[in-house]
Amino acid sequence: GAGVSQSPRYKVAKRGQDVALRCDPISGHVSLFWYQQALGQGPEFLTYFQNEAQLDKSGLPSDRFFAERPEGSVSTLKIQRTQQEDSAVYLCASSPYSGANTGELFFGEGSRLTVL
Amino acid sequence: GENVEQHPSTLSVQEGDSAVIKCTYSDSASNYFPWYKQELGKRPQLIIDIRSNVGEKKDQRIAVTLNKTAKHFSLHITETQPEDSAVYFCAALTGRRALTFGSGTRLQVQP
Repeated sequence: GAGVSQSPRYKVAKRGQDVALRCDPISGHVSLFWYQQALGQGPEFLTYFQNEAQLDKSGLPSDRFFAERPEGSVSTLKIQRTQQEDSAVYLCASSPYSGANTGELFFGEGSRLTVL
Repeated sequence: GENVEQHPSTLSVQEGDSAVIKCTYSDSASNYFPWYKQELGKRPQLIIDIRSNVGEKKDQRIAVTLNKTAKHFSLHITETQPEDSAVYFCAALTGRRALTFGSGTRLQVQP
């Protein structure tokens, strides 16, 4: 596609429910990142993939958060047993480069999660 | 890990004036410093970036300066226009390969 696509754009979940957020990066992009953006804050790093390999998951806030990119393209961020503090916009970004030359990130529109 | 601090959190200027946003970073190994613009409800988009081997970079009305010794970098917007109104984020890239973002500056350009 022309850009990074994320779905759903909006998700309302009851506390305790599991959610799955999908990211379709730009075709051919090697690097894929997930960020969490709370209201009025900057994006906070969650995890990084280089192709299908998850090279950094140090930003995942708890073991309720899990991300995968099995074929090195589409990625899914899963949150189990959602809590109110998980409410945020989840941004996916991709880059054609890897390693220290990641350079410009191309962001999706984000998935806004509201946990009631 | 890297820590990026950004000031001010809000900035209001008159159309035609200049705007300056400043960021400091903690990790001296950081080597890439981009600035992203995020309009309300939209995705962040890169507007300018600078690498650690350069002190200043300019692109039309926007410029970025980097002081490696002091570990700070700044965004300068001249001749501001109403369409410059948005939230601006600075960021720094370290060897972990992931950008660390500042908390953002909401710029309001008054017509």
